[in-house]
Amino acid sequence: DGGITQSPKYLFRKEGQNVTLSCEQNLNHDAMYWYRQDPGQGLRLIYYSQIVNDFQKGDIAEGYSVSREKKESFPLTVTSAQKNPTAFYLCASSQTGIEGYTFGSGTRLTVV
Amino acid sequence: KQEVTQIPAALSVPEGENLVLNCSFTDSAIYNLQWFRQDPGKGLTSLLLIQSSQREQTSGRLNASLDKSSGRSTLYIAASQPGDSATYLCAVRAGSARQLTFGSGTQLTVLP
Repeated sequence: DGGITQSPKYLFRKEGQNVTLSCEQNLNHDAMYWYRQDPGQGLRLIYYSQIVNDFQKGDIAEGYSVSREKKESFPLTVTSAQKNPTAFYLCASSQTGIEGYTFGSGTRLTVV
Repeated sequence: KQEVTQIPAALSVPEGENLVLNCSFTDSAIYNLQWFRQDPGKGLTSLLLIQSSQREQTSGRLNASLDKSSGRSTLYIAASQPGDSATYLCAVRAGSARQLTFGSGTQLTVLP
């Protein structure tokens, strides 16, 4: 079945550590996105990529980094510069036209 | 900058009732509008996608309407069931990068 796979489901980070969240899609979508969700809030865009080897900052990119070396993969690194990283992270993909988005099942990151 | 608002933030209804969830957006220059469902701790499931040229979409007991000129969309759920309990998110696709902007969601509880 086509879809988006996010791993791990739960992730714990110590202060000062960088951690990387994985996102893989087999939908042959050109565009991929990372969103952050905090309790009681909507989703906020961190980074997006419309083609391989290109990506753009979203509304809250500070403290995060991404890469897009393959069409299928769009990993997100939460760096030590992100002061409040505890949140639910969602990856999505779409075609770059006007089709709908497909979301993964999310990764819950907690700072310990 | 596009802003999306959902009212009410929470709604509790008895089983069997018909109900309406509201979504408004500030910039009518959108490509499409998508309604999602989110269960606690899970990713987003797409319910309905309405293109900017369409007025409504239907899927089973769900009907979504779009009025671009007034910047409004509604999600109508007929004959609600306890299994419909979830958070419903509205998102509009707009801008040069065609990214989604989300509302904060309506948390629906259907009481048996």
